Amino acid sequence: NAGVTQTPKFQVLKTGQSMTLQCAQDMNHNSMYWYRQDPGMGLRLIYYSASEGTTDKGEVPNGYNVSRLNKREFSLRLESAAPSQTSVYFCASSEGVGYSYNEQFFGPGTRLTVL
Amino acid sequence: QKEVEQDPGPLSVPEGAIVSLNCTYSNSAFQYFMWYRQYSRKGPELLMYTYSSGNKEDGRFTAQVDKSSKYISLFIRDSQPSDSATYLCAMSSGNTGKLIFGQGTTLQVKP
Repeated sequence: NAGVTQTPKFQVLKTGQSMTLQCAQDMNHNSMYWYRQDPGMGLRLIYYSASEGTTDKGEVPNGYNVSRLNKREFSLRLESAAPSQTSVYFCASSEGVGYSYNEQFFGPGTRLTVL
Repeated sequence: QKEVEQDPGPLSVPEGAIVSLNCTYSNSAFQYFMWYRQYSRKGPELLMYTYSSGNKEDGRFTAQVDKSSKYISLFIRDSQPSDSATYLCAMSSGNTGKLIFGQGTTLQVKP
């Protein structure tokens, strides 16, 4: 099992460009999450999908959109990238609400730089 | 004020030292308390979790939760250079599945 995979691993964008970060999990998890990690800020939730067909905003959703394509895949789109979106982006998945402590499994991350 | 506060460090200790990592929180609804370990340029991995108050031990690691003080700790005994990583506390009320993370503490264990 690959667990949670993310593509691309690295990306450099110019201000105003758009891109989509891809995430897939092979653990048959119901819930998926997108976080960004900035120095001194920990992990901040951007969007999450509690189950296939649903998405909800997290703590820092502005400038992002998401799509839960199917149970396995959850993508994050930046429509018009800004330098403030320079960060490391992590996708995570979990069994979902109602499953004990709901451990989240993380992907390896995407390092995004916006010039 | 953040819901979860964690001193970002960095914390540097000699090999064999006892390490204490701590987080405070403000939301009394939190019931699940976790510690994630993140190696450089990797994703976080769950190290330990505790439900409600009390202690939990796993090898060299001990997690403590004091809900009355809204304070959680992770102790590492006989620290090793391989323990060098960022340690993130995380908490959940269990109702939504969402986790609230602390800022993370960067630990370096010197040989």
